[in-house]
Amino acid sequence: AQSVTQPDIHITVSEGASLELRCNYSYGATPYLFWYVQSPGQGLQLLLKYFSGDTLVQGIKGFEAEFKRSQSSFNLRKPSVHWSDAAEYFCAVVNTGTASKLTFGTGTRLQVTL
Amino acid sequence: DTGVSQDPRHKITKRGQNVTFRCDPISEHNRLYWYRQTLGQGPEFLTYFQNEAQLEKSRLLSDRFSAERPKGSFSTLEIQRTEQGDSAMYLCASSFRLALQETQYFGPGTRLLVL
Repeated sequence: AQSVTQPDIHITVSEGASLELRCNYSYGATPYLFWYVQSPGQGLQLLLKYFSGDTLVQGIKGFEAEFKRSQSSFNLRKPSVHWSDAAEYFCAVVNTGTASKLTFGTGTRLQVTL
Repeated sequence: DTGVSQDPRHKITKRGQNVTFRCDPISEHNRLYWYRQTLGQGPEFLTYFQNEAQLEKSRLLSDRFSAERPKGSFSTLEIQRTEQGDSAMYLCASSFRLALQETQYFGPGTRLLVL
């Protein structure tokens, strides 16, 4: 079964600084990969997704992620963080064989200091 | 496109009571998923439908839980004889499955507190 590891439970960055959130997956083949963001008490909003092709994918709100097959990683990046980016970020994977349920990591909480 | 909606947004109930949640997917989405999220964790899959057929249920879904999607549109999730361990955020997501590459869009969730 596939699994997702987000090694950082909590990250604090200053507004304007760059950001990288780590995501590693375990799966026998190349999975479909997603990043979602969740504000307190809210549902999940899709930031970006990777199915195939270009390994650098662009998302909303200035986020991007890079799929690295050799490292089984799909790290999320943003060059300059805004205070409104403070939220919880979840990486998720889908089994490409069945392509149904998402398997999520435990999330990384981002705090932004002014 | 009004997005996925869920009702109620919050529910407080006493242990042993039954509760029912509703999810309205994005129109024309043929798949509907239910997830449960506890504090400090990522969402965990419960069950999903393609049109009105329930195609998979997680082992997390005890026999106290039942879900329906009677006409392939909205769905309900019922929990019978609630327990304190059922306290969680219940998330619904919908997608349009044409090929393997589908994207799930989530609703705002229903937060359940069992006293």
